[in-house]
Amino acid sequence: DIQMTQSPSSLSASVGDRVTITCRASQSVNSYLNWYQQKPGKAPKLLIYAASSLQSGVPSRFSGSGSGTDFTLTISSLQPEDFATYYCQQSYNTPRTFGQGTKVEIK
Amino acid sequence: EVQLVESGGGLVQPGGSLRLSCAASGFTFSSYSMNWVRQAPGKGLEWVSYISSGSSTIYYADSVKGRFTISRDNAKNSLYLQMNSLRDEDTAVYYCARATQNFDYWGQGTLVTVSS
Repeated sequence: DIQMTQSPSSLSASVGDRVTITCRASQSVNSYLNWYQQKPGKAPKLLIYAASSLQSGVPSRFSGSGSGTDFTLTISSLQPEDFATYYCQQSYNTPRTFGQGTKVEIK
Repeated sequence: EVQLVESGGGLVQPGGSLRLSCAASGFTFSSYSMNWVRQAPGKGLEWVSYISSGSSTIYYADSVKGRFTISRDNAKNSLYLQMNSLRDEDTAVYYCARATQNFDYWGQGTLVTVSS
């Protein structure tokens, strides 16, 4: 199985900050990397697919980059509604493993 | 509008069984693969099972293999997860999710609690 490792596990940031979350795969997943946002008590929501493609309806302050084993999710200017937990997921093969999550909290 | 609505969760004793359902609407269900994903309380996301559009291809996580069975009824636009020999560690919110190359739509989840 491909192991996905996110860093950091949590971070504190202020509204307006630029936030970067990284995700590393234990082997190459090409660009088969997705990012999800989850708020407490809610289902995950797809933000970015294929490493850098923005899902329809997702604000442009979210962006993704990377290929192979190293990926980044960037929020260019953190908004109050962005405080949540973010997960990466590889869709290169089965099982479709997730990272452990990064919780973005208010500073 | 795409909608996925899970049902069937509840409290069950260790060793017991439960059948989850996921009712789909707003898209051509028979054209899409589907997944079950679970989340234990306070923990991250764990993929559980996958079924292709025509049920010809099925995969399970090692943690549930031999105990859980995924199935679907395309005529009823429904996905199922039969869970047998349940363990404490199966306690989680179970989500169904539509599968393309990613999981683009999710249901709201149904809570399964395994406890004596």
